Amino acid sequence: DQQVKQNSPSLSVQEGRISILNCDYTNSMFDYFLWYKKYPAEGPTFLISISSIKDKNEDGRFTVFLNKSAKHLSLHIVPSQPGDSAVYFCAASAMNRDDKIIFGKGTRLHILP
Amino acid sequence: DSGVTQTPKHLITATGQRVTLRCSPRSGDLSVYWYQQSLDQGLQFLIQYYNGEERAKGNILERFSAQQFPDLHSELNLSSLELGDSALYFCASSAIRDYNTDTQYFGPGTRLTVL
Repeated sequence: DQQVKQNSPSLSVQEGRISILNCDYTNSMFDYFLWYKKYPAEGPTFLISISSIKDKNEDGRFTVFLNKSAKHLSLHIVPSQPGDSAVYFCAASAMNRDDKIIFGKGTRLHILP
Repeated sequence: DSGVTQTPKHLITATGQRVTLRCSPRSGDLSVYWYQQSLDQGLQFLIQYYNGEERAKGNILERFSAQQFPDLHSELNLSSLELGDSALYFCASSAIRDYNTDTQYFGPGTRLTVL
């Protein structure tokens, strides 16, 4: 049973436009969410996070939105750049429990010239 | 470069064999995490060590074990290997023990192929 789902295996976006990556979760105990970015032949790198007390967190071109009632979060990249082409993993955890972080399967983002 | 190193980069072995994957965390980081990424799964957390002690356990098989040494490097031992163990194994490190919220820095991974 997948607790963190990234239903789009891949996404193509024109350079300069907005990229929106989506993530759904099923466990209502999750209260901390992270996005990691992964280039081929490299390990994932941390991108941005959000706790459930917020509904938005912004860092430069990256914004994460959290909709707790829908158990949905999204990562917005504006404007998209060629270097953003990578696999993006959504992850979730329960901060006050000794539970593991659960990762989604990832979405491959292609930025088109 | 995350500062986390993993060796070897690639490993090819046969079913039934045993292998050891090695990880050196970033300088000063006390926590080490192991993950498995296979084709049909996302990143699966295996186990975490903090300052030499096991801190959290995930979906780690009994055939797998890990340890963290006094110099903080860690080894993941995989035994009685099966074809399904073929995957990318990542090590990550973080400064503190809070698995849930501390930013983890990932190594480049070890690609294990079991033939």
